[in-house]
Amino acid sequence: EVQLVESGGGLVQPGGSLRLSCAASGFTFSSDWMHWVRQAPGKGLVWVSRINTDGSSTVYADSVKGRFTISRDNAKNTLYLQMNSLRAEDTAVYYCARDRPGNNYFFDYWGQGTLVTVSS
Amino acid sequence: DIQMTQSPSSVSASVGDRVTITCRASQGISSWLGWYQHKPGKAPKLLIYAASSLQSGVPSRFSGSGSGTDFTLTISSLQPEDFATYYCQQGNSYPLSFGGGTRVEIK
Repeated sequence: EVQLVESGGGLVQPGGSLRLSCAASGFTFSSDWMHWVRQAPGKGLVWVSRINTDGSSTVYADSVKGRFTISRDNAKNTLYLQMNSLRAEDTAVYYCARDRPGNNYFFDYWGQGTLVTVSS
Repeated sequence: DIQMTQSPSSVSASVGDRVTITCRASQGISSWLGWYQHKPGKAPKLLIYAASSLQSGVPSRFSGSGSGTDFTLTISSLQPEDFATYYCQQGNSYPLSFGGGTRVEIK
């Protein structure tokens, strides 16, 4: 059974940093692209970032470019999102999601999400 | 960037009703369109990918159609477990983007 479990969310002050993790199991993690998607309170889903299988290629939404870094450790089956210079508008539930094998750019499995709150 | 516009933003329906949700892309995306179901506190669920392909394990009452800029998600006979918010998503180009969502509510 495919499982994605996010952790690392919490309350952080504006300008602060946080690192999210996503532990993957039930599939060959090193073979699949991975994404982060977020949802601000009361708002819709917003794509944040994507990483390829070996971490050599990454893509970001303009809103987080230069502040967030996506990475992965295939030996630990774990995806990360390092978030720096956090702003109030980064407050959201952050989901990790697997890129659907064979049909890139769709998300076939998602975690339950971890809440990040940026507030003083 | 490609903008995705869903309509309606909400719909009230009864069990057994046929429900149709539309999604329009700001430019052509061929068949690079997915549909997701999202319930509060739960992980979003992929229903349809490539505009009309049913994701494994998804009931056949869900169907998708369209290509280019105009797409439709249809629920042929609404079931109690289908009350949720539905999102379309384009996979044609980065940045990937979602529609604003359609909330399906109990009438």
